[in-house]
Amino acid sequence: EADIYQTPRYLVIGTGKKITLECSQTMGHDKMYWYQQDPGMELHLIHYSYGVNSTEKGDLSSESTVSRIRTEHFPLTLESARPSHTSQYLCASTRTGTYEQYFGPGTRLTVT
Amino acid sequence: GNSVTQMEGPVTLSEEAFLTINCTYTATGYPSLFWYVQYPGEGLQLLLKATKADDKGSNKGFEATYRKETTSFHLEKGSVQVSDSAVYFCALTGGSYIPTFGRGTSLIVHP
Repeated sequence: EADIYQTPRYLVIGTGKKITLECSQTMGHDKMYWYQQDPGMELHLIHYSYGVNSTEKGDLSSESTVSRIRTEHFPLTLESARPSHTSQYLCASTRTGTYEQYFGPGTRLTVT
Repeated sequence: GNSVTQMEGPVTLSEEAFLTINCTYTATGYPSLFWYVQYPGEGLQLLLKATKADDKGSNKGFEATYRKETTSFHLEKGSVQVSDSAVYFCALTGGSYIPTFGRGTSLIVHP
């Protein structure tokens, strides 16, 4: 069973607010990822990290930022939420030497 | 670049029917291939994988074979159950550790 956690699971917030979506894993995985999943189910990679102090932007342009100060923690921050940020956000991790990804349960964000 | 193409859904079946979800890919090198499943309200979870040509991945009655000659990794199950209703994603990952996912196929199984 995967040990990767996301909080909150659901969030409804007003436009302009700053929010942080939390993601933690207890598996010691060095690589972590954030995806945005649209209502049509397609996954879009928005950020990834190969290790502590390493962060990169993914294929989908995003106004969010991430940090990786500790191996187990990979939070995503939106400085000023907008309705266009309404989506499902999935965090994942993997370990060097394997390629399968372990996913958290997701955060469903609604910006009103 | 890499790409994964899987059949569009929804796929609607009766319980105990045979399931095939087609997946083809383009990639450089020798990627690992995966099928993930997503149940409503949850994240994705690994269903099965294959790491080299002719490998067969299997789990919970599902199977897929890594076919390099046809660049395919089709998902099959001999007898589906209502509990198999979910969204299925085909994916590949190479040396960069950046996965490429298909768009997902929704499976609906009726009693």
